[in-house]
Amino acid sequence: RKEVEQDPGPFNVPEGATVAFNCTYSNSASQSFFWYRQDCRKEPKLLMSVYSSGNEDGRFTAQLNRASQYISLLIRDSKLSDSATYLCVVNPPPPGGSYIPTFGRGTSLIVHP
Amino acid sequence: SAVISQKPSRDICQRGTSLTIQCQVDSQVTMMFWYRQQPGQSLTLIATANQGSEATYESGFVIDKFPISRPNLTFSTLTVSNMSPEDSSIYLCSVTQGGGTEAFFGQGTRLTVV
Repeated sequence: RKEVEQDPGPFNVPEGATVAFNCTYSNSASQSFFWYRQDCRKEPKLLMSVYSSGNEDGRFTAQLNRASQYISLLIRDSKLSDSATYLCVVNPPPPGGSYIPTFGRGTSLIVHP
Repeated sequence: SAVISQKPSRDICQRGTSLTIQCQVDSQVTMMFWYRQQPGQSLTLIATANQGSEATYESGFVIDKFPISRPNLTFSTLTVSNMSPEDSSIYLCSVTQGGGTEAFFGQGTRLTVV
């Protein structure tokens, strides 16, 4: 089982739709979680952190479910500009003392008019 | 956050040659990493660059092929040695302040080996 798994999609949705992505992780002791956005031919950029209590930033909501070992990202009122790949990042406990961000393969979102 | 300058942004190289990629951060950072990303794939960690000592390589990556330097807390280089077309990829420098904090990325180097 991979450490971090995501449905690669693509998710193809109309403008204004609500879309949700999930990401599962294998190490139950993982400490910190993030969602990144990567546009075509660009580097990943931090979208938001994921806290145990959930995190909301405008149209974006991130949630953590430790019992089921997954994090989610909800996008409301999708815009054309939301089209991108969304990467889930998990920090499993460091074996040698240093946290190393572990990336999912990303979920592609296409928002169409 | 950290501002990361990665050079070159792209290059086309002949097989058998080597390319050195530089990563400069505007502030001291605890951790520096080098990733590779094939088209349509996720990021694969090559190694963790350790300041003043040898890098820590992931399975499938070796120092002879990907020598890494990190002379201080703001700078690192990755060399792709004796290149072949299979090395064509995007190479990304990333930094964190350790402790599971968020990662920041350089703009990436798009390498094509012909």
